Amino acid sequence: DAGVTQSPTHLIKTRGQQVTLRCSPKSGHDTVSWYQQALGQGPQFIFQYYEEEERQRGNFPDRFSGHQFPNYSSELNVNALLLGDSALYLCASSPADGEYGYTFGSGTRLTVV
Amino acid sequence: AQTVTQSQPEMSVQEAETVTLSCTYDTSESNYYLFWYKQPPSRQMILVIRQEAYKQQNATENRFSVNFQKAAKSFSLKISDSQLGDTAMYFCAFMKLPNTGNQFYFGTGTSLTVIP
Repeated sequence: DAGVTQSPTHLIKTRGQQVTLRCSPKSGHDTVSWYQQALGQGPQFIFQYYEEEERQRGNFPDRFSGHQFPNYSSELNVNALLLGDSALYLCASSPADGEYGYTFGSGTRLTVV
Repeated sequence: AQTVTQSQPEMSVQEAETVTLSCTYDTSESNYYLFWYKQPPSRQMILVIRQEAYKQQNATENRFSVNFQKAAKSFSLKISDSQLGDTAMYFCAFMKLPNTGNQFYFGTGTSLTVIP
């Protein structure tokens, strides 16, 4: 049974560009959360999607947006990239209540130059 | 707002010895969950142990156990019989009860090295 799959694993973008990261949740999970982990820091919550809608959002600007598809997979979009957006982006899936069974992916390493 | 503090950026322990990682948190919530996650070089966050705040009994999971002091808002992780595979970053995390905001609040992590 595949866990959480994220793609790509690494990518390099230029300041001002736009990027899309993708996440396929674990089988049986319908909720997807995204986290940003800067170097040497703990992950910070970006937002969570459930039933194709953003259910909860952290303290991130509107440049960060997302989408959830009917098959529960999700995308994270970042517009007008800044150098400070360089980080590991983690996706975590869970059942709707989230109380148990969070599963994280291995992340996408984004470098903005 | 919830905050999680890990005051030990780096720690090391001899193989087979015991090590304790510290974590404190701040919250006005009375019911919540606390977690320890392990992040090896593969980057995937792996759940080590979970504690429900309403349970007084400390959680244990094989070689891993916690010392949960609710009044002091302290949540330390003890690793017994340390193994080379325990080398990783360890993150302490807080979560409010589901339906009131089920996002993790993570600390800044402790890098643990197990020395052969």
